[in-house]
Amino acid sequence: AQKVTQAQTEISVVEKEDVTLDCVYETRDTTYYLFWYKQPPSGELVFLIRRNSFDEQNEISGRYSWNFQKSTSSFNFTITASQVVDSAVYFCALSERWGGATNKLIFGTGTLLAVQP
Amino acid sequence: NAGVTQTPKFRVLKTGQSMTLLCAQDMNHEYMYWYRQDPGMGLRLIHYSVGEGTTAKGEVPDGYNVSRLKKQNFLLGLESAAPSQTSVYFCASSYIPGQGSSPLHFGNGTRLTVT
Repeated sequence: AQKVTQAQTEISVVEKEDVTLDCVYETRDTTYYLFWYKQPPSGELVFLIRRNSFDEQNEISGRYSWNFQKSTSSFNFTITASQVVDSAVYFCALSERWGGATNKLIFGTGTLLAVQP
Repeated sequence: NAGVTQTPKFRVLKTGQSMTLLCAQDMNHEYMYWYRQDPGMGLRLIHYSVGEGTTAKGEVPDGYNVSRLKKQNFLLGLESAAPSQTSVYFCASSYIPGQGSSPLHFGNGTRLTVT
């Protein structure tokens, strides 16, 4: 069964620390997509990144980087030099092929990141 | 460009009352979704639609109905609200996903409390 596990419920760091958010997934599909979304205190869901199962290259976008490893079924997210504005709930999600229609996203339970000044 | 707009933003219902949540998107997306978010449970799919006039059940459809009469609108109905339906509801839309590559665009959510 498809499943996304975010074992870290809450993480608290001090500003400028690096922090890694873990995501482990389970799927029987050979083709799938992984996503990260950010939910700041204001409540909206903001798309951060999409990665397909055939592309294991790490990606860096400013202070954000993502490490996708199929061997361990993990798609971890690192924030370098964290800032208070990074405080949010972060969701990892997996797209599932489903009745011929794709794009059903299965979400993890989220990790609450608190960055203290 | 408004993206995905949900109305209302907040609502309080009494048990047994009914209501409809409206989702509108202006991106000409084919797919639309309703999710609910509960503490410690992430987001769970209630219903979805792959195009105008179509709807299908998601992970937690019981107690909800949906309609997609127009491509840009996706309505979520609660016929007889129950306290277990207290939640934050998110609507989302996406292009025809192909190989599941299209990210979902979310609305800002509706916070519903059922007393």
